[in-house]
Amino acid sequence: DAGVIQSPRHEVTEMGQEVTLRCKPISGHNSLFWYRQTMMRGLELLIYFNNNVPIDDSGMPEDRFSAKMPNASFSTLKIQPSEPRDSAVYFCASTGGTEAFFGQGTRLTVV
Amino acid sequence: GEDVEQSLFLSVREGDSSVINCTYTDSSSTYLYWYKQEPGAGLQLLTYIFSNMDMKQDQRLTVLLNKKDKHLSLRIADTQTGDSAIYFCAETPNQAGTALIFGKGTTLSVSS
Repeated sequence: DAGVIQSPRHEVTEMGQEVTLRCKPISGHNSLFWYRQTMMRGLELLIYFNNNVPIDDSGMPEDRFSAKMPNASFSTLKIQPSEPRDSAVYFCASTGGTEAFFGQGTRLTVV
Repeated sequence: GEDVEQSLFLSVREGDSSVINCTYTDSSSTYLYWYKQEPGAGLQLLTYIFSNMDMKQDQRLTVLLNKKDKHLSLRIADTQTGDSAIYFCAETPNQAGTALIFGKGTTLSVSS
């Protein structure tokens, strides 16, 4: 298996633009997580899905953030409109039980 | 809420043992994990321990769990320069498949 695949790896956008981050979990995994990593706050859980259903989105910072999982093999995290303080590395992870595996992350820079 | 604490930095010499410590507050933690992150990369799962165990060994890695004190440690034997990275402790409550709560990470620096 290729592991958890995220795209793009890097994204630079202007403030106010819409940003969409994509994730393909490991086949057969039924839970998917979105995390954000910054120097100040470390790794923060944004949202997670079980069987494509959002279970806990209490970590989503504002209404500007939304996440979807239309099927078991794809999820998106959207920021609209983006702001400079959204600059961070966004990780997607998936698990089928005990072990959670992470993607390589998307480094987002909002200027 | 749940909280996971780690010291921020550890510096060791090549060949020495490294011990990275972690404390957590959630007494219902079921699984406890150690992840490694190298610069510009994602998190790599190193090992994990179930809460009814007190030790797990995997090659150079030894995990010790003191459930009474809610203390977890990762010992790396014969530390190499390639072990330089950030190490994250994480826990998941209740059951597998729920979200991991991470500490802020310990930066391990190995000098030759």
